[in-house]
Amino acid sequence: AQKITQTQPGMFVQEKEAVTLDCTYDTSDPSYGLFWYKQPSSGEMIFLIYQGSYDQQNATEGRYSLNFQKARKSANLVISASQLGDSAMYFCAMMTQGGSEKLVFGKGTKLTVNP
Amino acid sequence: DSGVTQTPKHLITATGQRVTLRCSPRSGDLSVYWYQQSLDQGLQFLIQYYNGEERAKGNILERFSAQQFPDLHSELNLSSLELGDSALYFCASSVDLKGETQYFGPGTRLLVL
Repeated sequence: AQKITQTQPGMFVQEKEAVTLDCTYDTSDPSYGLFWYKQPSSGEMIFLIYQGSYDQQNATEGRYSLNFQKARKSANLVISASQLGDSAMYFCAMMTQGGSEKLVFGKGTKLTVNP
Repeated sequence: DSGVTQTPKHLITATGQRVTLRCSPRSGDLSVYWYQQSLDQGLQFLIQYYNGEERAKGNILERFSAQQFPDLHSELNLSSLELGDSALYFCASSVDLKGETQYFGPGTRLLVL
């Protein structure tokens, strides 16, 4: 069974600093994708970044980068130069190829950016 | 704006009632997914449709059903509602079945009183 673990219920960061949100995963499928979504207080789910299990390089999207360590089964999200608008819940999710394309989500990390 | 639309945005109803949530996927997306987000269960996959056919089922109650129509919009029907069904219901869509990124709609917030 697939499982996503986010061990940080809440994180605080100062504006303009970088922050790392942790995510570990468990799957026996050799082919999978890892995703990060942002959920602001308004409730919508915003796709941030994707990493495929066979990708050789870590994914980057603007200020977001994914620190993918396959052997450790971790897919941490790094947000550089934090902004006040980054305050939100962040969810790590996994999709495996061996069956349904459903996303399995972690419990989320609430990030608060302080001015 | 993800391009996925959901209506209504909010829904308040009573126990025992039936409601229908509607989702229109992004233009060109054939796959539609429904997820439920509640405080105690977190985000859970309910059901997936691809090009009108049911593709996969997750933790969907028998009181819940869904369908995808020829124009690819989807509806999630929730019946005999209970207090515990109060949650945020998301629809997501993707291009096909090959593990493409799922883009989420704004959600329907359901409150059962």
